[in-house]
Amino acid sequence: NAGVTQTPKFQVLKTGQSMTLQCAQDMNHEYMSWYRQDPGMGLRLIHYSVGAGITDQGEVPNGYNVSRSTTEDFPLRLLSAAPSQTSVYFCASSYSPWRPQHFGDGTRLSIL
Amino acid sequence: GIQVEQSPPDLILQEGANSTLRCNFSDSVNNLQWFHQNPWGQLINLFYIPSGTKQNGRLSATTVATERYSLLYISSSQTTDSGVYFCAVEGETSGSRLTFGEGTQLTVNP
Repeated sequence: NAGVTQTPKFQVLKTGQSMTLQCAQDMNHEYMSWYRQDPGMGLRLIHYSVGAGITDQGEVPNGYNVSRSTTEDFPLRLLSAAPSQTSVYFCASSYSPWRPQHFGDGTRLSIL
Repeated sequence: GIQVEQSPPDLILQEGANSTLRCNFSDSVNNLQWFHQNPWGQLINLFYIPSGTKQNGRLSATTVATERYSLLYISSSQTTDSGVYFCAVEGETSGSRLTFGEGTQLTVNP
């Protein structure tokens, strides 16, 4: 079982560039979410989705877009990267928010 | 929004020692989970425990929802227990959002 797969694992961008962080899960989970983790801090919720076609904002959504066209995939888009978006990004999935969350291995993103 | 405080922020143990990590939260919760982030950055779900007590091997957790806290117990600690332990909660009015505490950094020395 692949579980939750995030790609890429590492990425360096220049300020103003755009990119998409990919997240895919093969567990038929309805609930998916994106978090960012900054040094010495806990995870902060960016966006989440309770099912295909449904997304909502989390705690820190500015500068990020998401879509959920299929149950399996939940990509996170940075439209115009800023140095403040340098972070480690985690994707998670579960059957619902109140079931155990399964995390991907993370994407380390540096913006110069 | 709901506030989550974890204590202590840092903990250093000798192998074999026991420890208790605490998570306080500011409002009623539907959902509380404990996670371990290993030194390689991977996040592993330990417990889903909005109330009551659960045990899994050397780890156990207790949540007293009416008093708004949860405890994670680690017995006979091993070096592989090192890492950061996070508590995450979904408040009753949070609308499917999990809020994480800042974590407890645990170091277990041989």
